Amino acid sequence: RKEVEQDPGPFNVPEGATVAFNCTYSNSASQSFFWYRQDCRKEPKLLMSVYSSGNEDGRFTAQLNRASQYISLLIRDSKLSDSATYLCVVSPTGTASKLTFGTGTRLQVTL
Amino acid sequence: DAGVTQSPTHLIKTRGQHVTLRCSPISGHKSVSWYQQVLGQGPQFIFQYYEKEERGRGNFPDRFSARQFPNYSSELNVNALLLGDSALYLCASSLFLGGKLGETQYFGPGTRLLVL
Repeated sequence: RKEVEQDPGPFNVPEGATVAFNCTYSNSASQSFFWYRQDCRKEPKLLMSVYSSGNEDGRFTAQLNRASQYISLLIRDSKLSDSATYLCVVSPTGTASKLTFGTGTRLQVTL
Repeated sequence: DAGVTQSPTHLIKTRGQHVTLRCSPISGHKSVSWYQQVLGQGPQFIFQYYEKEERGRGNFPDRFSARQFPNYSSELNVNALLLGDSALYLCASSLFLGGKLGETQYFGPGTRLLVL
């Protein structure tokens, strides 16, 4: 079983749609959680950290369910520029020293 | 401000050769981590260095080694290259405040290695 599992997609959605990505992780000792965004042939960039209380950044909302070992990302009012691969990331320690990535979920937003 | 820089950007090698990849962290960052990203997969952790010491190692063979220099830059070395080593090699830097939760790692643009 992979440490971090994601649906690879692709998710094809029209502009303005709401889309949700889910991720599960196997290591119950994981303490830090993130969503990274990766554009084609580019490096991953931090989209947002994920907290137990949930957090929102503009059109993006992330949720963490420690009991179910489940992380989600919700994107509202999708833009063409949101097209990318979204990587679910966990860190088994209290720091971000070792990031464990999922395979990523590809999102394509269309006109 | 300059972000994480890596060199070279692209590299072509043949099986059995050796390669050295270089990384300069963001100014003030003392920790460097290396990741390997094979096409269609997420990045996989190879090493973390802090203050010139190895602080973490992923599940990679001994052909992979790294070091960190006094200026906090780092090198990743891979010996006896295999076709399967073809990947994007990413370097990430962080402050590494010793246990701070949620510390952010910033990635460089990567080095694309193709082994023929």
